[in-house]
Amino acid sequence: QVQLVQSGAEVKKPGASVKVSCKASGYTFTSYAMHWVRQAPGQRLEWMGWINAGNGNTKYSQKFQGRVTITRDTSASTAYMELSSLRSEDTAVYYCARELVAIVVVPAAMDYWGQGTLVTVSS
Amino acid sequence: SYELTQPPSVSVSPGQTARITCSGDALPKKYAYWYQQKSGQAPVLVIYEDSKRPSGIPERFSGSSSGTMATLTISGAQVEDEADYYCYSTDSSGNHRGVFGTGTKVTVL
Repeated sequence: QVQLVQSGAEVKKPGASVKVSCKASGYTFTSYAMHWVRQAPGQRLEWMGWINAGNGNTKYSQKFQGRVTITRDTSASTAYMELSSLRSEDTAVYYCARELVAIVVVPAAMDYWGQGTLVTVSS
Repeated sequence: SYELTQPPSVSVSPGQTARITCSGDALPKKYAYWYQQKSGQAPVLVIYEDSKRPSGIPERFSGSSSGTMATLTISGAQVEDEADYYCYSTDSSGNHRGVFGTGTKVTVL
């Protein structure tokens, strides 16, 4: 069965960076892209970006462009999301979510989701 | 930037029909997807490509899209359907960036 297991909660100071991991199992990792989505407390879901796990191509939301980097390690079936220059407004639960359709070249939507990783930014 | 607009809340009695709308300029050209999120949980896909239902999703969930509006319908809503619902799509600029709607709180009581 498809599983996405994310790394644990993080507490960071303003200005720091955070890197969240998402280990996939139960399917061929390189056949499906991975999305990253976040949700601040009491707020709506926000799409952050996407990586084609096969060739490493990425697309980012304009809001996070320049601050977010999504990578993957195919040997470990793991995707990563790194967010830099953290501020208090980045306090949120960060989710990875598998692309709905295999072998796509542009983002579509998500089906399976990780459990979420709480990132708290506080001085 | 591209926006998908939903009503903030919808209330229905058990057994009644709930309809949630999602408005976006690119919806005539782009699919809409719908996610259910219960408190403290990760979202669950309930409708994809405007009107398709993933396996395991009850038949009372259905979707449609016409022009710039997509609609999620819960026919015969159950108490367990109480949740936040988000539409999702991609922009039509050629950048294919994802966008979530503003979200709708569905109350069943």
